[in-house]
Amino acid sequence: DTGVSQDPRHKITKRGQNVTFRCDPISEHNRLYWYRQTLGQGPEFLTYFQNEAQLEKSRLLSDRFSAERPKGSFSTLEIQRTEQGDSAMYLCASGGLGTGHPGELFFGEGSRLTVL
Amino acid sequence: AQSVSQHNHHVILSEAASLELGCNYSYGGTVNLFWYVQYPGQHLQLLLKYFSGDPLVKGIKGFEAEFIKSKFSFNLRKPSVQWSDTAEYFCAVNDGYGGSQGNLIFGKGTKLSVKP
Repeated sequence: DTGVSQDPRHKITKRGQNVTFRCDPISEHNRLYWYRQTLGQGPEFLTYFQNEAQLEKSRLLSDRFSAERPKGSFSTLEIQRTEQGDSAMYLCASGGLGTGHPGELFFGEGSRLTVL
Repeated sequence: AQSVSQHNHHVILSEAASLELGCNYSYGGTVNLFWYVQYPGQHLQLLLKYFSGDPLVKGIKGFEAEFIKSKFSFNLRKPSVQWSDTAEYFCAVNDGYGGSQGNLIFGKGTKLSVKP
């Protein structure tokens, strides 16, 4: 399967713990995006990278959140000192070069976070 | 800021019925428009897209959508639904100029249930 892959698929943690999610994009794509989706809502943009540069961050991305894409390939999203409000599905998508149009995104299956 | 409105939260249809899901967006400039579908337990998949040209676009599985600029609308249609169309449908938009960044704004989604 050459799609976007995310790991882990499901993470259960206690409030205050740190968690890290990984995303491996489609290899030809130079852009990588993180979105968050809560129940009854559409995906909400968090941040995106073009190659290794983080070019935009949403106001939703508090100081407890950090994302990296050190070599322009896979990316990690870390949440420090998790809170119950962080419980959501974290979606990764890739796009840009290698797609039919730079605005077209390909999504992974998501990493579901449950904070107890 | 851009926003996307999907008029129906949950639509229930019988097989062979016709479908129309409403989508309106707020941005007045050049836009790229998308419909994504999420089947139960699966990731978001692109159903169809509009970048420019013919405002009536055809997607996979018999779906089509019409871009009406004067109404800021991009409604999704299918003449005859099947049980397998049961899924959640998301309308999304990005800025046609900055759209190369691919930062999609999503609606809240419409859940479609098709009764066999």
